[in-house]
Amino acid sequence: AQSVTQLDSHVSVSEGTPVLLRCNYSSSYSPSLFWYVQHPNKGLQLLLKYTSAATLVKGINGFEAEFKKSETSFHLTKPSAHMSDAAEYFCVVSARWGKLQFGAGTQVVVTP
Amino acid sequence: GAGVSQSPSNKVTEKGKDVELRCDPISGHTALYWYRQRLGQGLEFLIYFQGNSAPDKSGLPSDRFSAERTGESVSTLTIQRTQQEDSAVYLCASSFRPEGGETQYFGPGTRLLVL
Repeated sequence: AQSVTQLDSHVSVSEGTPVLLRCNYSSSYSPSLFWYVQHPNKGLQLLLKYTSAATLVKGINGFEAEFKKSETSFHLTKPSAHMSDAAEYFCVVSARWGKLQFGAGTQVVVTP
Repeated sequence: GAGVSQSPSNKVTEKGKDVELRCDPISGHTALYWYRQRLGQGLEFLIYFQGNSAPDKSGLPSDRFSAERTGESVSTLTIQRTQQEDSAVYLCASSFRPEGGETQYFGPGTRLLVL
């Protein structure tokens, strides 16, 4: 079975400062991991995914995530937050045939 | 090309009525998934299709929920005798293949409100 735990339900950052969204996963086999973003009244958009290639994954809009097997973590980072980054972020683990298990989400607020 | 589309975008119904939600996946995608997002929560898996068969229906909350898919095309999620706890956003996603590393592309969702 697979599961994900997002360690922060809300994160508030100032514009221009780094963003860190924490995610831990549990999987009985080598997982595929994703980060999705959901802006208000918008659909889910894929930020990046890990599928057992490079452990440091670069995504869209300057986001990246590092897969750490020893820590069972897949934290999402961005060096400098932008106002447009305000949204809800979901860490997701995938079953072999594609069923996605979503974390509870982290709401990101960016202040000027 | 076109993305995943869903209809209706919003649906308000009375408790006890049946509703049908439609999903049009990306052309050529063999895998189709339905998820539900209750207010303030993450997404819950409902069912997935490979072609027109549904190998995993384990997420359907009760026998009031059913879904079907025509070939590798449109899917319909039906909720019979709706209850207030069915109020949620129902999201559909499709992928080229039903594999763990495949990217799923999500539709905009159907927002269902049961009064």
